[in-house]
Amino acid sequence: DVKVTQSSRYLVKRTGEKVFLECVQDMDHENMFWYRQDPGLGLRLIYFSYDVKMKEKGDIPEGYSVSREKKERFSLILESASTNQTSMYLCASSSAGTSGNTIYFGEGSWLTVV
Amino acid sequence: AQKVTQAQTEISVVEKEDVTLDCVYETRDTTYYLFWYKQPPSGELVFLIRRNSFDEQNEISGRYSWNFQKSTSSFNFTITASQVVDSAVYFCALRDYTGNQFYFGTGTSLTVIP
Repeated sequence: DVKVTQSSRYLVKRTGEKVFLECVQDMDHENMFWYRQDPGLGLRLIYFSYDVKMKEKGDIPEGYSVSREKKERFSLILESASTNQTSMYLCASSSAGTSGNTIYFGEGSWLTVV
Repeated sequence: AQKVTQAQTEISVVEKEDVTLDCVYETRDTTYYLFWYKQPPSGELVFLIRRNSFDEQNEISGRYSWNFQKSTSSFNFTITASQVVDSAVYFCALRDYTGNQFYFGTGTSLTVIP
């Protein structure tokens, strides 16, 4: 069964802390994504990656960075967490190419910054 | 630019009623893919269906049906005889042919009242 696994389901962090959200996929997908989901705003793309060590900014990259050292792993980093980064974070992956394959999501990480 | 609009933010229906979730998209591509996903309260988005732009046949899967109309750039989703388990947030998405990104609507929150 295909799987996108996010390491932490629920986190509570203090303002100013550095936060790491880890994501691993077992489908050998080229593409990986980090989204943020807030009520009324849907899914907003933070960063995505088409290949190892490659990253592209999405719609709301400010305050975030990412790392992709291995194909199966894509990490989201909040350098200095702030209360406005309290949200649910979704990791996803998909295959590359023109076949229009679907995107697979992890279960989400609920982050609260206090 | 690609865009997906789900104008219905929240819908409530009584169990056994039929309900249609609207999705309108914008794209300049002639080849593209459309998707629907379900997000139950647990958080993970689950893939429901994919259509490519050359296949306008409507599809039925049990109580679910999808109406794809290129003339109106719409890809609507109908649930027949709704059940409480259908309560979730539903997202419509578009993937273009050459790109690797997915463009999501803001989601429709469906509540089925017993």
